[in-house]
Amino acid sequence: NAGVIQTPRHKVTGKGQEATLWCEPISGHSAVFWYRQTIVQGLEFLTYFRNQAPIDDSGMPKERFSAQMPNQSHSTLKIQSTQPQDSAVYLCASSLDHGYAEQFFGPGTRLTVL
Amino acid sequence: EQQVQQSPASLVLQEGENAELQCSFSIFTNQVQWFYQRPGGRLVSLLYNPSGTKQSGRLTSTTVIKERRSSLHISSSQITDSGTYLCAVGSALGRLHFGAGTQLIVIP
Repeated sequence: NAGVIQTPRHKVTGKGQEATLWCEPISGHSAVFWYRQTIVQGLEFLTYFRNQAPIDDSGMPKERFSAQMPNQSHSTLKIQSTQPQDSAVYLCASSLDHGYAEQFFGPGTRLTVL
Repeated sequence: EQQVQQSPASLVLQEGENAELQCSFSIFTNQVQWFYQRPGGRLVSLLYNPSGTKQSGRLTSTTVIKERRSSLHISSSQITDSGTYLCAVGSALGRLHFGAGTQLIVIP
């Protein structure tokens, strides 16, 4: 079991460019979560899929951010027109699909927007 | 309002001493999870403890859901225990709400 896999581990973009982050959940886990971590804000929830369906995206910035889960083996987080304030570590987690299940985190993607 | 609060914010121990970390929360939950993180490192799940007492090696967590609190006890601390300990509480919608963490420094 390789755990949750995230790629790339580091990404540097210029202001206004697009960034796509990838997450592969643990095999058999049907719940996938995206979080963001910064020094100032700490860990913030972004969005959540269950059985590939979007369940809760209340933490997603309304503009420029989107997430998809086209199949059970991967999810993507896309940020359009990146801004310096988007710089953060983006974390993906997965869990079994039952209420209040333990979540397992990937190593994160460190996004730096210049 | 911070929904998950942790104390102390930081703690310095001498190697071999014990540590008691506290977490209190304002939301309804049946899920408390403790994580460990080194600077620049990944979040490592230490204990998943929705209620009662759970132990893993030198770590013991006690959660009292009715009182909306959980604690993490680290016995015989080691230098390699240094890092940030995060308490996370699950909501009914599935997401985790994180505290700001306790930064632990263990010195020789």
